[in-house]
Amino acid sequence: DTGVSQNPRHKITKRGQNVTFRCDPISEHNRLYWYRQTLGQGPEFLTYFQNEAQLEKSRLLSDRFSAERPKGSFSTLEIQRTEQGDSAMYLCASSLGDRYEKLFFGSGTQLSVL
Amino acid sequence: GDSVTQMEGPVTLSEEAFLTINCTYTATGYPSLFWYVQYPGEGLQLLLKATKADDKGSNKGFEATYRKETTSFHLEKGSVQVSDSAVYFCALGSGGSYIPTFGRGTSLIVHP
Repeated sequence: DTGVSQNPRHKITKRGQNVTFRCDPISEHNRLYWYRQTLGQGPEFLTYFQNEAQLEKSRLLSDRFSAERPKGSFSTLEIQRTEQGDSAMYLCASSLGDRYEKLFFGSGTQLSVL
Repeated sequence: GDSVTQMEGPVTLSEEAFLTINCTYTATGYPSLFWYVQYPGEGLQLLLKATKADDKGSNKGFEATYRKETTSFHLEKGSVQVSDSAVYFCALGSGGSYIPTFGRGTSLIVHP
């Protein structure tokens, strides 16, 4: 069990640029979640996958955000035309089973949009 | 929609003091309830959980009891240590997908 890995740890970008984050879940976990966390707040749900299928998306996830999980393994979260309001910690988590049990979180990717 | 309300932090205690962090929730149906902890520089990790009313979750000396009548899941520990300093998140999972909804977190600082 090597844990959930997220890359990069930090990303600084200029407004209007596109960014992509990667998450490698624990290998046998079939569910993968993306959350966003801002300072002083708890994680806010963005989207989740069961295997390669994206089953639910939050209304927080605007058209500029897209997530994929090809082959049900790693996942990417892309933000197009970044805005300063996108600055946040982006968290990935994975879990095993059809129903939520225990989420294993990565350390997150901190995005700063200048 | 589902929501979780936690007490404001930071909570500052001396070592060996008693800890309570309050958490109340709003949910339809019968949610599962959780406490996650985030130590400095690390990802969130599950501390304890309870899946039905009157269940008590416990781990590492921490306890929380699922109180349906008061819609609460308060976290307690009888004697805190410096190593317990972290941010604690209350969360609930409900509905068909059970996607966890988190509170805003409560920072705990324990002084020697």
